Amino acid sequence: DAKTTQPNSMESNEEEPVHLPCNHSTISGTDYIHWYRQLPSQGPEYVIHGLTSNVNNRMASLAIAEDRKSSTLILHRATLRDAAVYYCILVAPYSSASKIIFGSGTRLSIRP
Amino acid sequence: GAVVSQHPSWVICKSGTSVKIECRSLDFQATTMFWYRQFPKQSLMLMATSNEGSKATYEQGVEKDKFLINHASLTLSTLTVTSAHPEDSSFYICSAQNRGRETQYFGPGTRLLVL
Repeated sequence: DAKTTQPNSMESNEEEPVHLPCNHSTISGTDYIHWYRQLPSQGPEYVIHGLTSNVNNRMASLAIAEDRKSSTLILHRATLRDAAVYYCILVAPYSSASKIIFGSGTRLSIRP
Repeated sequence: GAVVSQHPSWVICKSGTSVKIECRSLDFQATTMFWYRQFPKQSLMLMATSNEGSKATYEQGVEKDKFLINHASLTLSTLTVTSAHPEDSSFYICSAQNRGRETQYFGPGTRLLVL
């Protein structure tokens, strides 16, 4: 399984943008880049995903490098509720045997 | 949309007893469900993958006779921890995936404490 590399932790100020980086130099041509986040004592929550083009949704934006070897999750205006562990995961195209493997993620802290 | 529930949310049991955890997809059909375990301060560890109507596929090191998984319908999967011991105490999380979609949707988790 292709692996991702993320910083262990990051801090940001409330109401400021946050850029969470992820390296995935061994990504295959068909792997999707998914981001999930996990708040304390909860199951992971889907944030966003993309393949080649940048993506936006109501939660965040995903910027994907042209060579697809890295990506950045952008929270445009962080709130205290965004404090969580963020996981960047590569997901193969759907099959009955597809699975995702979680790395250690980035623990994001938000300063009031 | 894409809501997954788990029941119970927490359970305390005596050593040697069996515990059943349910995972339900509330508004979509889950052709595949996954079970994870998470110990404190650690990441999620995949235990098994189950496709509706088929036997579950267990990850290396996970005892299939101890962690029984049933996925009898497109909206329900169950994980039974048999003869639970204190080392089985953990946070168990399920996820569900619909056919043709890569995204998994996760349940809120079940915290198990074995005394």
